[in-house]
Amino acid sequence: GQQLNQSPQSMFIQEGEDVSMNCTSSSIFNTWLWYKQEPGEGPVLLIALYKAGELTSNGRLTAQFGITRKDSFLNISASIPSDVGIYFCAGGTTSGTYKYIFGTGTRLKVLA
Amino acid sequence: NAGVMQNPRHLVRRRGQEARLRCSPMKGHSHVYWYRQLPEEGLKFMVYLQKENIIDESGMPKERFSAEFPKEGPSILRIQQVVRGDSAAYFCASSPETTNQPQHFGDGTRLSIL
Repeated sequence: GQQLNQSPQSMFIQEGEDVSMNCTSSSIFNTWLWYKQEPGEGPVLLIALYKAGELTSNGRLTAQFGITRKDSFLNISASIPSDVGIYFCAGGTTSGTYKYIFGTGTRLKVLA
Repeated sequence: NAGVMQNPRHLVRRRGQEARLRCSPMKGHSHVYWYRQLPEEGLKFMVYLQKENIIDESGMPKERFSAEFPKEGPSILRIQQVVRGDSAAYFCASSPETTNQPQHFGDGTRLSIL
């Protein structure tokens, strides 16, 4: 089946640093979504991408839909302690019915 | 609160009992998705439903698990004769239509099997 490889799996960074994470696949996706999940809560949508090459920002977050449609990137600038959480990518596919395949997550910890 | 509502938030069952998890989608959303999440892992798709129809259940275990989304009322994920391995967080998401609209998640039900 389709799989998404998300990296890094986890990272510790200093407050104020920029963060980069990515999601790659051997399959093509039509949509890329990025979510953040905090302990005890459900994933919250951060950014949605619909076109290859698209670059979209949401505050300090910027995400890009890779040109090949097989990858996506999320950057967080000037990290703060509340950025702590698990970041998931999800690729939307029309293989069969339309559904999203989720990556395994990047666990971000920010050191003040 | 117009978000996806799941209840209960926590559910404890003994082996062999039944677990019923409920999900009310966001207002205006007619599509519901159920996911399972084990600790330190990602979200695994289970089933996709519209009102009164199961669209895709390719991620559902063949036995003991069932899901419905009746014309009236919430979507229900039902697990019969629960076993320890069913312990997980179960998340529901909803979207307004079938194409590429993002899914919005509830806060999940954490199922613990004694």
